[in-house]
Amino acid sequence: AQSVTQPDIHITVSEGASLELRCNYSYGATPYLFWYVQSPGQGLQLLLKYFSGDTLVQGIKGFEAEFKRSQSSFNLRKPSVHWSDAAEYFCAAYSQFSGGYNKLIFGAGTRLAVHP
Amino acid sequence: GAVVSQHPSWVICKSGTSVKIECRSLDFQATTMFWYRQFPKQSLMLMATSNEGSKATYEQGVEKDKFLINHASLTLSTLTVTSAHPEDSSFYICSARGGDSPRGYTFGSGTRLTVV
Repeated sequence: AQSVTQPDIHITVSEGASLELRCNYSYGATPYLFWYVQSPGQGLQLLLKYFSGDTLVQGIKGFEAEFKRSQSSFNLRKPSVHWSDAAEYFCAAYSQFSGGYNKLIFGAGTRLAVHP
Repeated sequence: GAVVSQHPSWVICKSGTSVKIECRSLDFQATTMFWYRQFPKQSLMLMATSNEGSKATYEQGVEKDKFLINHASLTLSTLTVTSAHPEDSSFYICSARGGDSPRGYTFGSGTRLTVV
């Protein structure tokens, strides 16, 4: 079955430090991949997405993600974290070959805390 | 960009009553809408997928008679929680997509339902 795994439930970094959030997927074919951010009590905001082409994807708010087919990974990175980046981050995947109807599958999420 | 409006943002209701949540695509036609449920500090779980003019497709384990979904137009889908109980208290988020492309997922801001 298709799945998206975010190994880190909670991550704490200092403001100004670099950040990497991990995401692995398990699909028969390479799915479309997304990263979303959610502030408390809010909906989801799309940070970036990968469909094909360049494996390094640039997103909003200074985030980027790199698709690595060999590792089935799509890790999110930011070179310098700001206090306002504290939020919940979700990796998600979508496949047109998932059988039945198509749907977006989410990882469990990673909660990011930022220390001043 | 695409905007999805979800209303209300929060609601408190008595046990046994029904609650309706609306999801509207404001500037595009949403051929498909999705309803998710999110428990505190957990990921989004897809409840159902609805296509305009047809019956919703529910995920395994979701009671279709309890969570009524109507997608009567290309800009509006509603989720009605019937005979609500405290265990139905959760954060409900809708998502809308125009066409069949995964590029067009847009999320609403969510509805916090509390059943007392």
